[in-house]
Amino acid sequence: DIQLTQSPSFLSASVGDRVSITCRASQGISSHLAWYQQKPGKAPKFLIYTVSTLESGVPSRFSGSGAGTEFTLTISSLQPEDFATYYCQQLITYPLTFGGGTKVEIK
Amino acid sequence: QVQLQESGPGLVKPSQTLSLTCTVSGGSISSGGYYWSWIRQHPGKGLEWIGYIYYRGNTYSNPSLQSRLTISIDTSKNQFSLKLSSVTAADTAVYYCARATPRRIIDYWGQGTLVTVSS
Repeated sequence: DIQLTQSPSFLSASVGDRVSITCRASQGISSHLAWYQQKPGKAPKFLIYTVSTLESGVPSRFSGSGAGTEFTLTISSLQPEDFATYYCQQLITYPLTFGGGTKVEIK
Repeated sequence: QVQLQESGPGLVKPSQTLSLTCTVSGGSISSGGYYWSWIRQHPGKGLEWIGYIYYRGNTYSNPSLQSRLTISIDTSKNQFSLKLSSVTAADTAVYYCARATPRRIIDYWGQGTLVTVSS
């Protein structure tokens, strides 16, 4: 299985801050990576696929980058509705695997 | 707009079989191209992909659960189901049914159902 390691696991930030979350894969996955946002008590919501393509309706303050084994999700100006947990997921092969999550909390 | 809804017991005794059904609305489960999946999340933890079934009945299971897992589909009811046998407390989790695209993106999720394994 492909292991995905996210860092940090917890992030405290203020509204308006620029934040970045890293996802590292145990082997090269080219650009086959997606990002999800999950709020408490809710199912995850798909945000970005193939590293940097935003799902329809996702604000442009979200962006993704990377290739191979290292990827980054960036939120350019954190908004109140962005406080949530974020997960990366590899798209290259089954079994699908997810990163351990990064919880973004209000400072 | 595709919607998925899990149903089944919220409490299962150890060593018994956990059974859940996912009802799909807003689209046909037989339309092809999608992989009807189960994913779980242990309390306060990350996401674990369990397995999928294709409308033709092809399945793929997470090797870590394969020996205990059965996924089935009923296209006449637009439903697919999960059975996990010999459960222990480690199987306590929120179980989501979901749709995976051919690119393996999970684009639609059910709301999730908490299943607790306890005597």
